[in-house]
Amino acid sequence: AQKITQTQPGMFVQEKEAVTLDCTYDTSDPSYGLFWYKQPSSGEMIFLIYQGSYDQQNATEGRYSLNFQKARKSANLVISASQLGDSAMYFCAMRVLTQGGSEKLVFGKGTKLTVNP
Amino acid sequence: DSGVTQTPKHLITATGQRVTLRCSPRSGDLSVYWYQQSLDQGLQFLIQYYNGEERAKGNILERFSAQQFPDLHSELNLSSLELGDSALYFCASSVQRFLDTDTQYFGPGTRLTVL
Repeated sequence: AQKITQTQPGMFVQEKEAVTLDCTYDTSDPSYGLFWYKQPSSGEMIFLIYQGSYDQQNATEGRYSLNFQKARKSANLVISASQLGDSAMYFCAMRVLTQGGSEKLVFGKGTKLTVNP
Repeated sequence: DSGVTQTPKHLITATGQRVTLRCSPRSGDLSVYWYQQSLDQGLQFLIQYYNGEERAKGNILERFSAQQFPDLHSELNLSSLELGDSALYFCASSVQRFLDTDTQYFGPGTRLTVL
């Protein structure tokens, strides 16, 4: 079964330090996509970064980078120079194919990140 | 701002009632997805529409239904509501060009409370 596992229910980091949020996935599909979303306390889901299964390079978007290790089936999110505004829930998700050739996202349970001043 | 709009933002209703949640996708996006986020189940895919047609169904109860209209906005109808239906309901949209880089952008959500 296609599954996303986030083993860290909560993480703490000091402002201006880097933090890594773990994500492992399970799929037998040769082609898949991995996403990270941020959910602040206000509730909206904000897209952060995407990694395709065939991408040779790790994805980067500003202070966000994705440490993609295909053989280990992991797609960890690295946030550099943490800011107080980074405090939020972070969800790892995988795009999977549905019957009929469409697609959906399967989400992990999330990691709550708290940035301390 | 993702460009996806959802109304209402909050909804409080009683058990047994019926409600309608509305979503307008980003300009140019043909696909609309509905997700439910609850404390016990996490984020779960409910249903997807593409250009007016249902394309995929997830863990959607028979009491729930959805449709996508010619102007591409979508509505999620929840009937015979139960306490356990209280959740945050998200709509997401994408172009769905079946490219690896296709991304789903989420609306702000509708928080449903069933009393």
